[in-house]
Amino acid sequence: NAGVMQNPRHLVRRRGQEARLRCSPMKGHSHVYWYRQLPEEGLKFMVYLQKENIIDESGMPKERFSAEFPKEGPSILRIQQVVRGDSAAYFCASSPGQGVNSPLHFGNGTRLTVT
Amino acid sequence: GENVEQHPSTLSVQEGDSAVIKCTYSDSASNYFPWYKQELGKGPQLIIDIRSNVGEKKDQRIAVTLNKTAKHFSLHITETQPEDSAVYFCAASPGAQKLVFGQGTRLTINP
Repeated sequence: NAGVMQNPRHLVRRRGQEARLRCSPMKGHSHVYWYRQLPEEGLKFMVYLQKENIIDESGMPKERFSAEFPKEGPSILRIQQVVRGDSAAYFCASSPGQGVNSPLHFGNGTRLTVT
Repeated sequence: GENVEQHPSTLSVQEGDSAVIKCTYSDSASNYFPWYKQELGKGPQLIIDIRSNVGEKKDQRIAVTLNKTAKHFSLHITETQPEDSAVYFCAASPGAQKLVFGQGTRLTINP
């Protein structure tokens, strides 16, 4: 059973470009979460999605950032007009449902570097 | 909102000794407390979790304790091995979805 798949593993963008990060959840999982990790820090919640719905985006910056989880295909985290402060590791997690009986399983992340 | 504090930030122990990492949380509504292990270049891996209706849980060399009154929980690793070297994160959540993570503990096992 494949785990959470994220691609690309590494992404380099110049300031002002767009970054698209993809996440395929574990088989059977319909809940997807995005977290951001700055160097030497813990993970910070960004957004929680179910198929075609954003459930909680309270951790996502209001501008330049968007996320989707379409009916078909992977979840996408999109960062427009990237700035150096966007450089971080972005992790996707998935779960089969809600609540304490549905723990989160993380992918290996996408490391975004903005030059 | 929830705030999780984790200590120590770094921990070095001799192989075979025990390691203890402690976390405190602020939101009494939190009822789910997982621990994740993160190796270099990889994502966090769930190693053990505990729910608020339980005070202690053990899985082989790993155990977690929870004190709801004091709002703190701890990870205990016994008989440490070199492969236990990693960064460990605690987290808290009122429902297992929107996890709030601690700052992490870099554990080094010395042979």
